Amino acid sequence: AQSVTQLGSHVSVSEGALVLLRCNYSSSVPPYLFWYVQYPNQGLQLLLKYTSAATLVKGINGFEAEFKKSETSFHLTKPSAHMSDAAEYFCAVSDRSGGSNYKLTFGKGTLLTVNP
Amino acid sequence: DTAVSQTPKYLVTQMGNDKSIKCEQNLGHDTMYWYKQDSKKFLKIMFSYNNKELIINETVPNRFSPKSPDKAHLNLHINSLELGDSAVYFCASSRGTGTTNEKLFFGSGTQLSVL
Repeated sequence: AQSVTQLGSHVSVSEGALVLLRCNYSSSVPPYLFWYVQYPNQGLQLLLKYTSAATLVKGINGFEAEFKKSETSFHLTKPSAHMSDAAEYFCAVSDRSGGSNYKLTFGKGTLLTVNP
Repeated sequence: DTAVSQTPKYLVTQMGNDKSIKCEQNLGHDTMYWYKQDSKKFLKIMFSYNNKELIINETVPNRFSPKSPDKAHLNLHINSLELGDSAVYFCASSRGTGTTNEKLFFGSGTQLSVL
């Protein structure tokens, strides 16, 4: 069965600083990997996804993530944090292990706060 | 226009009551989902329907009964509510049939508080 582990439930950065949110996955088959963002009192929105094409994936709002099979990682980065990036970020993995339908399994989330 | 809309946004009720949450999507998607997000923000799938047929049914108490009258609607009925049911429930949809790996579109959530 697939799973993801997000290291750090809370990350705090200064405005303009590098954002690094860590995600490691476990999957018995080649995974599809996602990052979703949840702003306060809203549903989740897709930031980016990896589907076995390029290992460096660019998403919305200047975020990108790199798939590293050797490290089983899919960390999310942004060169310069903006106040509007403050939100909860979820890493997720999807595969068909255990059935014929894709199932998305989420990590426990990382709260990003951005200080002025 | 809201793509995935769920009602109500807030639901406060007593233990033992029965309540329903409604979800509608106007995206023409084939697959709809219910997710539960607990107080620690952990998000877990409960059910998934494709064209009104149940395709994913996680280990959820049978007090929870999803109903899909058509592929644009997936409602969640909960019987005999318990304190542990307090959470935010998210509806979502995707274009795929469940056998493809599509992006999910989420509603804005229903915060259920059981007193």
